[in-house]
Amino acid sequence: AQSVAQPEDQVNVAEGNPLTVKCTYSVSGNPYLFWYVQYPNRGLQFLLKYITGDNLVKGSYGFEAEFNKSQTSFHLKKPSALVSDSALYFCAVRGRYFNKFYFGSGTKLNVKP
Amino acid sequence: GAGVSQSPSNKVTEKGKDVELRCDPISGHTALYWYRQRLGQGLEFLIYFQGNSAPDKSGLPSDRFSAERTGESVSTLTIQRTQQEDSAVYLCASSLQVWGGYGYTFGSGTRLTVV
Repeated sequence: AQSVAQPEDQVNVAEGNPLTVKCTYSVSGNPYLFWYVQYPNRGLQFLLKYITGDNLVKGSYGFEAEFNKSQTSFHLKKPSALVSDSALYFCAVRGRYFNKFYFGSGTKLNVKP
Repeated sequence: GAGVSQSPSNKVTEKGKDVELRCDPISGHTALYWYRQRLGQGLEFLIYFQGNSAPDKSGLPSDRFSAERTGESVSTLTIQRTQQEDSAVYLCASSLQVWGGYGYTFGSGTRLTVV
């Protein structure tokens, strides 16, 4: 079965500190992995994706994610958090069938000044 | 338009009424998806359209839910005889390629409240 898990409902971090938002997945075959961000009253925005190649993927707004095949993880990271990064973050994996993505339950990131 | 447009942005309806939600995808995007996001939960796949192919309706939760799309244009999601558990944000997304390799572009959603 295809699935995505985001084990933390909420992550709190001080501005300027590094942040990590965790994601693990289960999928048949090679995974296509994505991170999306949702700001209040806004639609989901694409941050970054892993399809193939380098395990460290760089995306929008200074975010990056590391694909770890052995741990089936795709954690989102940023070296120095900003208050404006506070939002809801969703990890997604493309399942066996092209037409479906599976989303995690989301992690609320709170960055405090 | 530049993005995926959804209307209305907010809808309050009485239990038992029918509602229709609209999605305008990005021009040229062949694939269109509907998702539902209940409060505090992840995204739940509802239905997928790809061009003129038969849609994948496997995510629709009951026969009260239906959706239409003509070609690669506007899509409407209809919920008949709404129930309180239908309250959620309904998100529409479109993608350039069927396998979504570029990810989706999401609309801002329609917040449906059934009272």
